[in-house]
Amino acid sequence: AQSVAQPEDQVNVAEGNPLTVKCTYSVSGNPYLFWYVQYPNRGLQFLLKYITGDNLVKGSYGFEAEFNKSQTSFHLKKPSALVSDSALYFCAVRDTPRGKLIFGQGTELSVKP
Amino acid sequence: NAGVTQTPKFRVLKTGQSMTLLCAQDMNHEYMYWYRQDPGMGLRLIHYSVGEGTTAKGEVPDGYNVSRLKKQNFLLGLESAAPSQTSVYFCASSYPGQGSPEAFFGQGTRLTVV
Repeated sequence: AQSVAQPEDQVNVAEGNPLTVKCTYSVSGNPYLFWYVQYPNRGLQFLLKYITGDNLVKGSYGFEAEFNKSQTSFHLKKPSALVSDSALYFCAVRDTPRGKLIFGQGTELSVKP
Repeated sequence: NAGVTQTPKFRVLKTGQSMTLLCAQDMNHEYMYWYRQDPGMGLRLIHYSVGEGTTAKGEVPDGYNVSRLKKQNFLLGLESAAPSQTSVYFCASSYPGQGSPEAFFGQGTRLTVV
């Protein structure tokens, strides 16, 4: 069965600094990987996905993620953090396009001015 | 574009009461899901459906039932609510295509069982 781990409950970054939110996964086949963001009292918004191809995936709001098959990781990155990036971030995985979508426990990102 | 709509947005139940949460999507998606979100637990899959008339259990199905009588609707039922079911519930839908497997989420239903 597939699983996702986000090892950090919280990440604190100063505005303007680069940020990384970590995600590792476990699937039996080729993974379909996703990042979502949740602002307070809102639903989840899709940020980006990896299906196949380039290991560096670009998404919304300047975010990107790097797929690393050997380390089974899909870390979310942004070169320069904004205070408005503060939110809850979720990594998710499917093992096929038709498989269940399983989420990690979430990482709270806090960007301070 | 409505996307995924959940009804109601808030509800307070007494222990033992029943209720149904409605999820409606207008994107003609085949797949629909119900998740619950609890602090420190992330999103956990309750039940899901891969098409009209079909449902399957997720990670935490106990105490819930679902039905998918129409493609656009996915209902989540609590037959006898318990305080442990206090949570925020999210519905999502997706198209199982190779290129667009991401899910789209509703705004959530905050349920409190007292």
